[in-house]
Amino acid sequence: GAGVSQTPSNKVTEKGKYVELRCDPISGHTALYWYRQSLGQGPEFLIYFQGTGAADDSGLPNDRFFAVRPEGSVSTLKIQRTERGDSAVYLCASSLTGGSPDTQYFGPGTRLTVL
Amino acid sequence: ELKVEQNPLFLSMQEGKNYTIYCNYSTTSDRLYWYRQDPGKSLESLFVLLSNGAVKQEGRLMASLDTKARLSTLHITAAVHDLSATYFCAVDRLEYGNKLVFGAGTILRVKS
Repeated sequence: GAGVSQTPSNKVTEKGKYVELRCDPISGHTALYWYRQSLGQGPEFLIYFQGTGAADDSGLPNDRFFAVRPEGSVSTLKIQRTERGDSAVYLCASSLTGGSPDTQYFGPGTRLTVL
Repeated sequence: ELKVEQNPLFLSMQEGKNYTIYCNYSTTSDRLYWYRQDPGKSLESLFVLLSNGAVKQEGRLMASLDTKARLSTLHITAAVHDLSATYFCAVDRLEYGNKLVFGAGTILRVKS
């Protein structure tokens, strides 16, 4: 596709449930990033993939959060035992190589609401 | 730790006026980015600034970078309503990987 796509656009779940958020990067982009944006704040880094491997997962807040990118394209962010504090917009971005300079292109985001 | 501060956080301005948004960062960075975000939308890349003294312009927006002062500015010339959005600056540093560290954003409202 022309840009980064994310599904679903909105997800409402109950506390304690498991959710999966999907990101489809720009075709040919090897680098993929997940960020989380809370209301009124800038995005915060979660994890960065180079190809299939997680090159930097230092932003994942705890072990309830996990992400995969098994074939080096689509990525899934998985959140177990969701908490109300997980409510935010989850943004995915991709870039061509992850090198320098390399603009990150963002998707529309998934708005997660945990009741 | 790499931190980014923007000011002002909210800016209400009249059409036709000029103003500047400031972005300070705490340690040496490799690249500085400006993004625009419309309500309910994702981030749109505006500028990438790579070196000291870099200046880039697109329409009514001009961004500059002073790496010695660790400061970038986004200057708005003769504002129009369509520029109303939230503007974020972000920096990265290769030794920290490729993650972007964002400021809190500046909400710009241009009044007719």
